[in-house]
Amino acid sequence: ETGVTQSPTHLIKTRGQQVTLRCSSQSGHNTVSWYQQALGQGPQFIFQYYREEENGRGNFPPRFSGLQFPNYSSELNVNALELDDSALYLCASSFRTGAGTEAFFGQGTRLTVV
Amino acid sequence: DAKTTQPNSMESNEEEPVHLPCNHSTISGTDYIHWYRQLPSQGPEYVIHGLTSNVNNRMASLAIAEDRKSSTLILHRATLRDAAVYYCILRDYMNAGGTSYGKLTFGQGTILTVHP
Repeated sequence: ETGVTQSPTHLIKTRGQQVTLRCSSQSGHNTVSWYQQALGQGPQFIFQYYREEENGRGNFPPRFSGLQFPNYSSELNVNALELDDSALYLCASSFRTGAGTEAFFGQGTRLTVV
Repeated sequence: DAKTTQPNSMESNEEEPVHLPCNHSTISGTDYIHWYRQLPSQGPEYVIHGLTSNVNNRMASLAIAEDRKSSTLILHRATLRDAAVYYCILRDYMNAGGTSYGKLTFGQGTILTVHP
């Protein structure tokens, strides 16, 4: 049990729609990262938020956006959904930024785009 | 991104030690070596990380080669619950807007099967 909670656990959306996924980070953690995991692949880094600002981004288009709130919870928004967006979306929280810090992952949100 | 190479799969018997190798010949001086594992239908779970020295925690040990071009995750006594995909990751140290961040770049990992 990592203390990182994601909602919803499963979601089905239609191509072209928009979706919002939510993450509640572990108490005391001020950094949240989001990852996309396609079936049979390792997770891919989408972006990271630190103190309510995006401070790092992977190779994802602008229709992937996020927010971090003052309580350090976070949202991932995806606009204009495509079939290839079907994946497990993972949220990870950390006590601080940097390479020497462990990340604690939630159970993920399984998004299916039809 | 610095890359790692791991065997696609390994097998072990319950109660025996398991040594999971990882090669990272292009590692830079500021890269930390992280290990995560992922059980079926779950998010990745942090196992251990280190920079230069060997590390031990309640879950495992991490042995790092002197030249840092390889490392080995050691599970001292495998249990059925240790069956998972194990990822060896070099956590990038990056700087954006004056704040450092370290993204995790996952590869394919090693599928560990534990036999009763």
